[in-house]
Amino acid sequence: SQQGEEDPQALSIQEGENATMNCSYKTSINNLQWYRQNSGRGLVHLILIRSNEREKHSGRLRVTLDTSKKSSSLLITASRAADTASYFCATDANGNNRLAFGKGNQVVVIP
Amino acid sequence: EPEVTQTPSHQVTQMGQEVILRCVPISNHLYFYWYRQILGQKVEFLVSFYNNEISEKSEIFDDQFSVERPDGSNFTLKIRSTKLEDSAMYFCASSEEVTGELFFGEGSRLTVL
Repeated sequence: SQQGEEDPQALSIQEGENATMNCSYKTSINNLQWYRQNSGRGLVHLILIRSNEREKHSGRLRVTLDTSKKSSSLLITASRAADTASYFCATDANGNNRLAFGKGNQVVVIP
Repeated sequence: EPEVTQTPSHQVTQMGQEVILRCVPISNHLYFYWYRQILGQKVEFLVSFYNNEISEKSEIFDDQFSVERPDGSNFTLKIRSTKLEDSAMYFCASSEEVTGELFFGEGSRLTVL
């Protein structure tokens, strides 16, 4: 899982499998966002979940948020080779886009 | 699809030199940001900018850093006297609203020798 001080996690899965990655944080938040980064490229916004939401879906993505445990998970269903990337969670404590990023989860989807 | 563009993609400079990194945010966006990512480390917030002034800045954004929106399209980050530890990928981002989806550029890799 991602957290301020933990090492990044790596996940290697077969195409078609589901990929789940976790994120934990320490402070109260306004929202939590997930981003994807392909190697050497910019960050691409995937999904935003607000502190009063518990689950959100976008296409093959499912995000959960548990504010009591200060944790979130990102599920990618039916993974594809193109999903190979690093996935970052980022918390927004005050709703002003001053994001605090985790160290990321590297996902490799094997065709 | 609109995108944030950054130049240069890679800059190599000598320690102590001034560097300007340029960004063209998405045209109807009002909020602009700089983040950086030192190799192998987390993406870190540097500064946010709205209505021609800094909204917030982090501890990293010291007197050596400045931002400017010199015209209606560009948003620049200047580092006055670069240090070795400034070597990083610098990402510009913009958003339509104060909170929500950030659109990031591809980044400018700065290497300080």
